[in-house]
Amino acid sequence: AQSVTQLDSQVPVFEEAPVELRCNYSSSVSVYLFWYVQYPNQGLQLLLKYLSGSTLVESINGFEAEFNKSQTSFHLRKPSVHISDTAEYFCAVITNRDDKIIFGKGTRLHILP
Amino acid sequence: DTGVSQDPRHKITKRGQNVTFRCDPISEHNRLYWYRQTLGQGPEFLTYFQNEAQLEKSRLLSDRFSAERPKGSFSTLEIQRTEQGDSAMYLCASARDRSNYGYTFGSGTRLTVV
Repeated sequence: AQSVTQLDSQVPVFEEAPVELRCNYSSSVSVYLFWYVQYPNQGLQLLLKYLSGSTLVESINGFEAEFNKSQTSFHLRKPSVHISDTAEYFCAVITNRDDKIIFGKGTRLHILP
Repeated sequence: DTGVSQDPRHKITKRGQNVTFRCDPISEHNRLYWYRQTLGQGPEFLTYFQNEAQLEKSRLLSDRFSAERPKGSFSTLEIQRTEQGDSAMYLCASARDRSNYGYTFGSGTRLTVV
C-alpha cells in the first residue's frame, strides 16, 4: 500500500524568505501526487497536482513542486512567502490502482514578521 | 456549481447521543468520500461512494458509524452512541469519475463530544 511522509510537522520562516516543505511517498506502482492547503477552520483546497508530463508543477499563487521519481519525493517550494501563506499543507498520493487519496500528516507553515 | 456543502459546520453533543452529518457534493460528481481529521493529523479515509453504491469502508469505521447516499446525490454520515474519541473534523469530498485528478472538499463538520 502507498504511504506519504511529511518530514516536518512545523516550519517557521520569515516573511519574504524562501521555503521548502518536504514530502516523500512510498508506492510500488505509478502514482499521482497532490499538495493541499488548509487555512484555519476551513476545508482542504487543492494547491497543485502532478499527473504526468513535466515534473515541475506550479500553482497560481507562486508555489511549485517537483516530482522526483528516483528519490520518491514531491517537495513544495516558494521563493518568497507572505503572511497570507500561513496554513497547514498536506501532501497526498493516489495510485492508478486505487480509488482513494492517502494524505500525509501535514506541515504547519508559520510566517514570522 | 456551489462547491461541496456540509451541514452543520459545528456540532456539540453529549457522549452516548447519536449525530448525523450531511454532505451535498458538486452536482455532476459521481464519487463522494468521507474523511476524518483529528488535531495534528492529516485526513484519514473513512468510506466512499460511486453514485449510490458504497464501494469501500475503512477499518476506522466501526459498527457505530454508517453512511448512506440514497439517490446518488447527497450523503449522510451517522454516528451512534458517540464517544469522546469521535471528536474530530469530518470532511466530505467529491470527484468526477476517478480520483486521480483530485477531490473538491467541503468545509467540514467539527464534532465535539462532551
